[in-house]
Amino acid sequence: GQNIDQPTEMTATEGAIVQINCTYQTSGFNGLFWYQQHAGEAPTFLSYNVLDGLEEKGRFSSFLSRSKGYSYLLLKELQMKDSASYLCAVRGYNFNKFYFGSGTKLNVKP
Amino acid sequence: GAVVSQHPSRVICKSGTSVKIECRSLDFQATTMFWYRQFPKQSLMLMATSNEGSKATYEQGVEKDKFLINHASLTLSTLTVTSAHPEDSSFYICSTTRGGTYEQYFGPGTRLTVT
Repeated sequence: GQNIDQPTEMTATEGAIVQINCTYQTSGFNGLFWYQQHAGEAPTFLSYNVLDGLEEKGRFSSFLSRSKGYSYLLLKELQMKDSASYLCAVRGYNFNKFYFGSGTKLNVKP
Repeated sequence: GAVVSQHPSRVICKSGTSVKIECRSLDFQATTMFWYRQFPKQSLMLMATSNEGSKATYEQGVEKDKFLINHASLTLSTLTVTSAHPEDSSFYICSTTRGGTYEQYFGPGTRLTVT
């Protein structure tokens, strides 16, 4: 089976940095993805890791450790518009199948 | 611009009726499409993988006779919720991958409410 865990909810202050963790246990691994989802909308792609290490993309960075089954998404210089749910997803042994974590709702306060 | 479209965006139907949701890939061919369901405050749950020209592959626990999937062309997959009940009310999202890229493209979603 597939097991992907994330914290349910986090709160951070505008301008600050926040780290959202994701741990996974899956029957196969072909990449880890982070998505942002605003309420009532479809997810939008943020980042992708397939090798260990840090991938930086503007204010967003994502880290992966395959040996630990662990990833995090780092958001810098938080803005109010970053308030959303952040979904961690693993692409499994079937190259095209994605399995999602329960999502982390991030609340950014002034 | 949008890569995947979905129609309708919202639908309200009465219990016992059937509802069809369309998912289209725009400007490219999608041999495989995915259908997800998302209940309020929960994550996306993969329901089935839709394969052009062949039967869909359903995830464990998803009733294939209730959620009919047809992928008759390389740009269109449809999900029909048959004999809908209030517990089928959910946000249904389709997605696909595009050759040569690792990204998964999502449609805008369909909000189904069964009364």
